[in-house]
Amino acid sequence: RKEVEQDPGPFNVPEGATVAFNCTYSNSASQSFFWYRQDCRKEPKLLMSVYSSGNEDGRFTAQLNRASQYISLLIRDSKLSDSATYLCVVNTNAGKSTFGDGTTLTVKP
Amino acid sequence: DGGITQSPKYLFRKEGQNVTLSCEQNLNHDAMYWYRQDPGQGLRLIYYSQIVNDFQKGDIAEGYSVSREKKESFPLTVTSAQKNPTAFYLCASSMIQDNQPQHFGDGTRLSIL
Repeated sequence: RKEVEQDPGPFNVPEGATVAFNCTYSNSASQSFFWYRQDCRKEPKLLMSVYSSGNEDGRFTAQLNRASQYISLLIRDSKLSDSATYLCVVNTNAGKSTFGDGTTLTVKP
Repeated sequence: DGGITQSPKYLFRKEGQNVTLSCEQNLNHDAMYWYRQDPGQGLRLIYYSQIVNDFQKGDIAEGYSVSREKKESFPLTVTSAQKNPTAFYLCASSMIQDNQPQHFGDGTRLSIL
């Protein structure tokens, strides 16, 4: 079993839709959590950190459930420009980051 | 501007040749990392370093070597022992304290001639 698992998708949604991605992690000692966005043939870019109380940045909402060991990313009112691969990242206390393989989103007109 | 610079953007390797990929950061980050990404796949950790003159193997270190002589620099050498080097190579850096996120360079695409 992988340390960090994501549904690879692809998720194909119309513009304006709400879409949610989940990510599960196996190491209960994990300390911090992030979502990255990666466009085709580009480097991953930090989208947002995930805080215990949940956090929102515009149309994006991230949540953490430590008891069930998963994090989620909700995108509201999807735009064409949201099409990308979304990577979930989990850090342990040793400063090591483990990346999920990513979930691909395509937003269609 | 502060950031991570990888060079070259594209690199071609002949059979039996060693090539070195450059990664420099001016973010004053302690830790630096090298990842490999194959088409349609996730990132796999090759090597990482949390302090100057020290580094650790990641999940796929065979056929690669690194050095960390300066805080700002973490070059990766793809040796002739790496039989399938064609991939997208990404360098990242981060602060270690408080589990800060990693920031990436814009990558180097390596192909076999």
